[in-house]
Amino acid sequence: GAGVSQSPRYKVAKRGQDVALRCDPISGHVSLFWYQQALGQGPEFLTYFQNEAQLDKSGLPSDRFFAERPEGSVSTLKIQRTQQEDSAVYLCASSLIRWEYSREFTDTQYFGPGTRLTVL
Amino acid sequence: DAKTTQPNSMESNEEEPVHLPCNHSTISGTDYIHWYRQLPSQGPEYVIHGLTSNVNNRMASLAIAEDRKSSTLILHRATLRDAAVYYCIPFNGGATNKLIFGTGTLLAVQP
Repeated sequence: GAGVSQSPRYKVAKRGQDVALRCDPISGHVSLFWYQQALGQGPEFLTYFQNEAQLDKSGLPSDRFFAERPEGSVSTLKIQRTQQEDSAVYLCASSLIRWEYSREFTDTQYFGPGTRLTVL
Repeated sequence: DAKTTQPNSMESNEEEPVHLPCNHSTISGTDYIHWYRQLPSQGPEYVIHGLTSNVNNRMASLAIAEDRKSSTLILHRATLRDAAVYYCIPFNGGATNKLIFGTGTLLAVQP
């Protein structure tokens, strides 16, 4: 079946512009995550949704970053007034069920290909 | 969160076995050990996970030390497609199921 898709795959923005990055998770997946990956580093957690509820946004680096998932499926990560330090690959992942419902099984996260954001 | 130590890079020849080590000496008793890998220009993908016993699946094997302070991911016959960054991640779900990646091991496979 279809995996996690992200669009656009590449985005170039001038400093100060607003950008919106889209994530289409696997159909039926309850959990959705956003990660940021700087060059040469591992992905870093940004935020987490369970259905439409944003349960953890502790990784968002500033109030310029905003994420939403209004109907519990597609999610958008918005970055306002982009800065050069925002240049990174933004990864979306989804998983089927929540840890609390399956303590004997650790739920696999399925990642999209990422959006590479370059801020000039 | 448990800290992990992995070699920055390793090399292997095609068709040979590869042993990728990970130290996680501060792992808690409820942490599973997950391995993900990231091929060039792709998002990470799940490889395998385990708690205490050694585990096998179609992609790899996971050998976990008896004290659980280290583990080894084993690729039985490396292929060129296995060239990737491999991440070892102690994971217990927690409130948000987030994965905490380190810098991983970059595996190069020579033909």
